[in-house]
Amino acid sequence: GESVGLHLPTLSVQEGDNSIINCAYSNSASDYFIWYKQESGKGPQFIIDIRSNMDKRQGQRVTVLLNKTVKHLSLQIAATQPGDSAVYFCAGYGGATNKLIFGTGTLLAVQP
Amino acid sequence: DAGVTQSPTHLIKTRGQQVTLRCSPKSGHDTVSWYQQALGQGPQFIFQYYEEEERQRGNFPDRFSGHQFPNYSSELNVNALLLGDSALYLCASSPGTGNYGYTFGSGTRLTVV
Repeated sequence: GESVGLHLPTLSVQEGDNSIINCAYSNSASDYFIWYKQESGKGPQFIIDIRSNMDKRQGQRVTVLLNKTVKHLSLQIAATQPGDSAVYFCAGYGGATNKLIFGTGTLLAVQP
Repeated sequence: DAGVTQSPTHLIKTRGQQVTLRCSPKSGHDTVSWYQQALGQGPQFIFQYYEEEERQRGNFPDRFSGHQFPNYSSELNVNALLLGDSALYLCASSPGTGNYGYTFGSGTRLTVV
């Protein structure tokens, strides 16, 4: 079946370091991926997206990399700040389904 | 410009009861999707409404039903509540049935006791 999952449930980094959160997906037909940030008591907040015809996309302090060969994507956060502490989800969309499939999530804890 | 608003924010119900959750989409959005998020898990797709009809459905029993009104707002109804229905229920709106431009609300925390 379809799945979008994460390798690490918890990631602890020092303030100022770069963070890398990984995600694997199983549906080869997925053509659009989104990274979300979810803070306690809030809904998921869009961070960055990427389409399957791209392998890299950059935003402000964030970069998403997509490797379709191994069905893997990652979120890189530069100069991680305490405000980046949250749960991060990857989600995939496309193929036969018209719905977003979410992974389990990674908790990013930024140590001062 | 208001984003997606959900009500109530918190709710406690007894097993076997029925519950109705409400969602107002972001201005300009006509499609509403509902997700269930168990503690420590990613959101799971329940269903999507567009033009007042259910367009897509996830793997949820018929106890979960919904409705969309002409003003695009939506309700999620759950009958015969089970303890396992305790979760954060998220509403997301988008312009059209694609998932591009998804905006999530803050959710309704449902606790079944």
